[in-house]
Amino acid sequence: GQNIDQPTEMTATEGAIVQINCTYQTSGFNGLFWYQQHAGEAPTFLSYNVLDGLEEKGRFSSFLSRSKGYSYLLLKELQMKDSASYLCAVRGRGGATNKLIFGTGTLLAVQP
Amino acid sequence: GAGVSQTPSNKVTEKGKYVELRCDPISGHTALYWYRQSLGQGPEFLIYFQGTGAADDSGLPNDRFFAVRPEGSVSTLKIQRTERGDSAVYLCASSLGGGNSGANVLTFGAGSRLTVL
Repeated sequence: GQNIDQPTEMTATEGAIVQINCTYQTSGFNGLFWYQQHAGEAPTFLSYNVLDGLEEKGRFSSFLSRSKGYSYLLLKELQMKDSASYLCAVRGRGGATNKLIFGTGTLLAVQP
Repeated sequence: GAGVSQTPSNKVTEKGKYVELRCDPISGHTALYWYRQSLGQGPEFLIYFQGTGAADDSGLPNDRFFAVRPEGSVSTLKIQRTERGDSAVYLCASSLGGGNSGANVLTFGAGSRLTVL
């Protein structure tokens, strides 16, 4: 089975940096994804990690440690529009396992 | 199309009725996924198609739920004898391939909000 844990809510200040953690336990692993979802909208892809280390993409970076079953999403220079839910998702390995299993999401509130 | 299109965007029905939700994936995407999302939760996997066949239907909660993709493009999620607990946003996503190598990013539609009274 698969289990994904992330904090339910976080609050941060405009212009600051915030780190959203995700831990996972899976029967197989073939990649970790971060999605952003604004209220009432579809999830949109942010980042993908399959090897250990940091992937940087503009203001957003994502880190993976496979041995620890741990990832984080780092958001820099926070803007009000970054207020959203951030979803961590894991893809398994073997067979018809192209599906992503999502965590419950972390609701980030950016305050002025 | 340019994105994943889902219809209807909103559906209100009565307990016991039958509903169909439609998904039109991105042109050329061979893989199609159905998820459902309740308020405050992450998307919950239902079923995954590779082409016309259901490669993984392990997430369908019971036999009232069924999905088809007869021509390998548009998919329909069918729910029989709806119950109040079926109320949720049903999300469809598609991706380029069915292999589990590479990013193979899922692109989601805006969802169909189902309310069962």
